[in-house]
Amino acid sequence: AQRVTQPEKLLSVFKGAPVELKCNYSYSGSPELFWYVQYSRQRLQLLLRHISRESIKGFTADLNKGETSFHLKKPFAQEEDSAMYYCVFFSGGYNKLIFGAGTRLAVHP
Amino acid sequence: DTGVSQDPRHKITKRGQNVTFRCDPISEHNRLYWYRQTLGQGPEFLTYFQNEAQLEKSRLLSDRFSAERPKGSFSTLEIQRTEQGDSAMYLCASSPYGGGANVLTFGAGSRLTVL
Repeated sequence: AQRVTQPEKLLSVFKGAPVELKCNYSYSGSPELFWYVQYSRQRLQLLLRHISRESIKGFTADLNKGETSFHLKKPFAQEEDSAMYYCVFFSGGYNKLIFGAGTRLAVHP
Repeated sequence: DTGVSQDPRHKITKRGQNVTFRCDPISEHNRLYWYRQTLGQGPEFLTYFQNEAQLEKSRLLSDRFSAERPKGSFSTLEIQRTEQGDSAMYLCASSPYGGGANVLTFGAGSRLTVL
């Protein structure tokens, strides 16, 4: 079955430190993957998608088919990055997004 | 149009009562989704509409749950004979047809508490 795994429930770092939020997926084909973010008291929103291959708010994510991973990275964390981050897989055959359990990123001053 | 609207934002009910949630998607979006999120978990897919047609339902959607989108615009999610296990955040999302169809815009959610 298609599945998305985020092994860390909480990632705590200091401002300016590098950040890597891990995501692994199980799927034998070519996946379509996203990162969604939810800031405190805000709606769930798209952060980035792998096909765009762009950097959003300093975050990047590279699809590694060999390792079936789609880790989210940022070289220098900011306090405003503190949020809940979800790795998401699009199941084209079923027209739905499958969410990981999420990782809470806490950036301390 | 200020995005996806959901009503009510909070609902507290007693076990056994029926509740209904409403979702107004972005007007030009013809795809509409319902998700459920419980504490510590990511959102779980419940059901999906394309226009007025309900094209998919999750096994999570028991026979106590029903969703409609009668005119292909707003949607309602009804839960009959609520149980404490139904307590969750119910999220609605919409997306356009074609390019960008896989990018969902979420509403703020309707939080249900069943006592």
